[in-house]
Amino acid sequence: GAVVSQHPSWVICKSGTSVKIECRSLDFQATTMFWYRQFPKQSLMLMATSNEGSKATYEQGVEKDKFLINHASLTLSTLTVTSAHPEDSSFYICSASIGGGTGANVLTFGAGSRLTVL
Amino acid sequence: KNEVEQSPQNLTAQEGEFITINCSYSVGISALHWLQQHPGGGIVSLFMLSSGKKKHGRLIATINIQEKHSSLHITASHPRDSAVYICAAFLQGAQKLVFGQGTRLTINP
Repeated sequence: GAVVSQHPSWVICKSGTSVKIECRSLDFQATTMFWYRQFPKQSLMLMATSNEGSKATYEQGVEKDKFLINHASLTLSTLTVTSAHPEDSSFYICSASIGGGTGANVLTFGAGSRLTVL
Repeated sequence: KNEVEQSPQNLTAQEGEFITINCSYSVGISALHWLQQHPGGGIVSLFMLSSGKKKHGRLIATINIQEKHSSLHITASHPRDSAVYICAAFLQGAQKLVFGQGTRLTINP
């Protein structure tokens, strides 16, 4: 079945540094990928929609300069948390829509990346 | 008020019991997803529905578009079903997924 590989699964960094999270579709092409964050005991919140070859679409309240998204190929999207602060500590998850399009198709999720900023 | 509401928030049951988790939404949707999140955080897509009913093993998902309501049922529940179950609605207008708060299910042996 369709697999999305997310890396790293966990990362600890110092405040002020930048962290890059990768999301790869392993056996299918994903023109659209989605990035979410999840705080403890809360549900997922969509951060942005990543479109191959074009700029990402960010949700209201998400700082595009802080959370840089690059979707340079049909199989790779990256999320870079720039100048990370402790309040950025969270669980970040990516997903892709199988068959293309947005969320009206079956979704497959990465395993998530737990970021801890000291 | 969240556009997608789930109930109950927490559910504890004994092995073998029939489980129902409910999801209501207040806006027009194109599809509704049921997701399962295990303690490690990984998420598995269980179902995507736009109408009617789907079944996979012991899991059944139904949706009533007119009533804006969906249910996830688990028959013959097992401790390995313990997880957080999340419904997510794909909004027609906004073209984005909105998630319910999740239902934490614990099945005791």
